[in-house]
Amino acid sequence: DARVTQTPRDKVTEMGQEVTMRCQPILGHNTVFWYRQTMMQGLELLAYFRNRAPLDDSGMPKDRFSAEMPDATLATLKIQPSEPRDSAVYFCASGLAGGFYNEQFFGPGTRLTVL
Amino acid sequence: SQKIEQNSEALNIQEGKTATLTCNYTNYSPAYLQWYRQDPGRGPVFLLLIRENEKEKRKERLKVTFDTTLKQSLFHITASQPADSATYLCALTGYGGSQGNLIFGKGTKLSVKP
Repeated sequence: DARVTQTPRDKVTEMGQEVTMRCQPILGHNTVFWYRQTMMQGLELLAYFRNRAPLDDSGMPKDRFSAEMPDATLATLKIQPSEPRDSAVYFCASGLAGGFYNEQFFGPGTRLTVL
Repeated sequence: SQKIEQNSEALNIQEGKTATLTCNYTNYSPAYLQWYRQDPGRGPVFLLLIRENEKEKRKERLKVTFDTTLKQSLFHITASQPADSATYLCALTGYGGSQGNLIFGKGTKLSVKP
């Protein structure tokens, strides 16, 4: 049963600390997305990759967020330094060629709390 | 700016009835519209995709309509069951450029009472 995995599932940290979230997309999927979900804003796209190349990261605060795909089996989202307003659930999703025109498979999310 | 609205934050219905959820959009020319289900503590799960030239799509007890004139999609669950209780999200994709990304509504929380 192929699924997207994310680690950690929960993260509590203090303001100013670095946070790294990891995602393993479904094998064979060539598009990877990072989303952030809050009660106020709902689900927002942060960045997405196709064939490991970043296509759009306009949804990310550039000064503190960075997203990478070191290889086809790993995507990372890093926040440095973290701030309380970054508290949210971060989802990774993967899909096949066609990107947003195909269904996306979401991971279970990382719940981040920045104190 | 592009805007997606789902008719209400919460919808309560009785088991066996048909649940109808609404997704309206403005300042948008979507190519595709998708519906996802999200349970507490979990990621969204894809349910249905409908293209702009399709009026209706069905899958088991689910039906989606897409009216580009009204700028609206309706999502129906017939013979609803308590297991259908969840938050349902609609999402739109345009034809590229600034509208090429998938934009989600904030969701409608459906509760089906036995």
